[in-house]
Amino acid sequence: EVQLVESGGGLVQPGGSLRLSCAASGFTFSRNAMHWVRQAPGKGLEYVSAISSNGGSTYYANSMKGRFTISRDNSKNTLYLQMGSLRAEDTAVYYCATSMVGPTRTAFDIWGQGTMVTVSS
Amino acid sequence: SYVLTQPPSVSVAPGQTARITCGGDNIGSKSVHWYQQKPGQAPVLVVYDDSDRPSGIPERFSGSNSGNTATLTISRVEAEDEADYFCQVWDSSSDHPGIFGGGTKLTVL
Repeated sequence: EVQLVESGGGLVQPGGSLRLSCAASGFTFSRNAMHWVRQAPGKGLEYVSAISSNGGSTYYANSMKGRFTISRDNSKNTLYLQMGSLRAEDTAVYYCATSMVGPTRTAFDIWGQGTMVTVSS
Repeated sequence: SYVLTQPPSVSVAPGQTARITCGGDNIGSKSVHWYQQKPGQAPVLVVYDDSDRPSGIPERFSGSNSGNTATLTISRVEAEDEADYFCQVWDSSSDHPGIFGGGTKLTVL
């Protein structure tokens, strides 16, 4: 069974840091680009970051550049998101996602269950 | 950066057809994907690359894309279709390529 399982969320103070993990199973992780998407409470989906299959290319939403770092360990089938200088507006459920469909592989048919990050003092 | 515009809400009676639009500049030149999200759950891909359906998605879900508007069409709407729907594109020419629309709440009357 193809599965993504996020972990690492929790309560953090403004200005603090947190590292999220996403453990993949059931597919060849090293062949897939991976993505992070977040959703603030009661709000829509917001794209966060992406990393290519070999980790050589990364993308970030403008508001996360310089504060968040995406990485992966293909030997451990795990995706990471290191978040720093956290703000209240970073409070959200963070999902990891990937694509197994289509020629462009930009539609996310595989999602984790999400991990909640709360930034508050 | 590229912007996708969706109506905040759409209402439809059971058995009727719901159409949810996603507007963007020359969106017809891009591949559009659609997600369904129910409360407390992760999004589910229902249409990708404008009009393809993933395995397991009912044929009632279809998509089209032309000009400045992409449309998700849900035929013979059922109560279980009540959810939020999001469109998405990947703008490979941008350094911020992942873009979601604001979402549409589909209410089944």
